[in-house]
Amino acid sequence: KQEVTQIPAALSVPEGENLVLNCSFTDSAIYNLQWFRQDPGKGLTSLLLIQSSQREQTSGRLNASLDKSSGRSTLYIAASQPGDSATYLCAVRPAGRKLIWGLGTSLAVNP
Amino acid sequence: ETGVTQTPRHLVMGMTNKKSLKCEQHLGHNAMYWYKQSAKKPLELMFVYSLEERVENNSVPSRFSPECPNSSHLFLHLHTLQPEDSALYLCASSQEEYTEAFFGQGTRLTVV
Repeated sequence: KQEVTQIPAALSVPEGENLVLNCSFTDSAIYNLQWFRQDPGKGLTSLLLIQSSQREQTSGRLNASLDKSSGRSTLYIAASQPGDSATYLCAVRPAGRKLIWGLGTSLAVNP
Repeated sequence: ETGVTQTPRHLVMGMTNKKSLKCEQHLGHNAMYWYKQSAKKPLELMFVYSLEERVENNSVPSRFSPECPNSSHLFLHLHTLQPEDSALYLCASSQEEYTEAFFGQGTRLTVV
């Protein structure tokens, strides 16, 4: 059974720091992995989607990597800003099946 | 503003009420989903519709009744809910079943 774990559960950093959020999954047979952002009480915004054949994806200050063999993905945020404060969710998709979700990392970037 | 719109954004209802949540997508997608998000739990997939047909029902109690009249609209009819049903209900759509999903802003439901 696929399980997704995100560490840490919460993170507080000063503005300007580079930071890494971690996502691990127990079954390497995935079709893709997706990172989402969720602001308090709001819906989800897709940040990056990595196909199983890819090693990383980049969008602006965000970079997501995928290592299927070790069951890990990282989301790297460069030069963090207060506006980056949100919960970041990781979800993996087994082939042709529904997303399996982590509990998220709650990030606070302090001015 | 996203391509998936949910109304209302907030809803407070008594346990004997009947209400409906509405979702509309403007992306030309063929699949739509209802998710439940409760504190300290992963997102729970409730229902999946593909081309207006329900293709998945994940053991959701019958007090939740989905309806998909066309590929752009999805409803979740609620009746005789329990306080533990209080949660954020998210709608999503995707081009095809189980492809990249795009989410609405959610409806915050409180059952009193």
